[in-house]
Amino acid sequence: DQQVKQNSPSLSVQEGRISILNCDYTNSMFDYFLWYKKYPAEGPTFLISISSIKDKNEDGRFTVFLNKSAKHLSLHIVPSQPGDSAVYFCAASAAVSSGSARQLTFGSGTQLTVLP
Amino acid sequence: NAGVTQTPKFQVLKTGQSMTLQCAQDMNHNSMYWYRQDPGMGLRLIYYSASEGTTDKGEVPNGYNVSRLNKREFSLRLESAAPSQTSVYFCASSEAPSGVYGYTFGSGTRLTVV
Repeated sequence: DQQVKQNSPSLSVQEGRISILNCDYTNSMFDYFLWYKKYPAEGPTFLISISSIKDKNEDGRFTVFLNKSAKHLSLHIVPSQPGDSAVYFCAASAAVSSGSARQLTFGSGTQLTVLP
Repeated sequence: NAGVTQTPKFQVLKTGQSMTLQCAQDMNHNSMYWYRQDPGMGLRLIYYSASEGTTDKGEVPNGYNVSRLNKREFSLRLESAAPSQTSVYFCASSEAPSGVYGYTFGSGTRLTVV
């Protein structure tokens, strides 16, 4: 049973417009949510995160929104650029006991294509 | 400024062969992880090491073993490779115990088992 779901495998957007990527989760113990970006033949790279005590976090062109009651988060990219074309993974993490390590649970990813 | 280094980048194995995937990080991180990425499945955790000297199973540990050789290195071993282990393998590291800024990933090892 997937705890983190990205229901859209792909998204195409015109350059300059807004890209909205969505993610749903089921585990109410998750307290941090992250977005990663992945180019072909490279490892995922951290993009932006949000704590469960916030509902919005912004970093330049990237904004993540969290709706805890709906167990839903979204990543907004404004304006979208061709270089943003990549696979975007949503991930979530829960607090762990002392001496352990946080594990990230990933969604299946959304391929974003920004058309020039 | 290497970050997380994985070797090899590509490997083809025959069913039943064994191999070890190597991972090293130079960021003095305590925690290290092995994930596999399969189409439509995202990244799934195989094993992780919270700190030097400890290892724990993740979501899909069957068919794998790991060794935390020292703080820098965390290896993944396939004792008897199977076609179902064809995947892209990513090693990652993070600061512990919070890890709230996520992981730093290596560039991956593409493994094909025929």
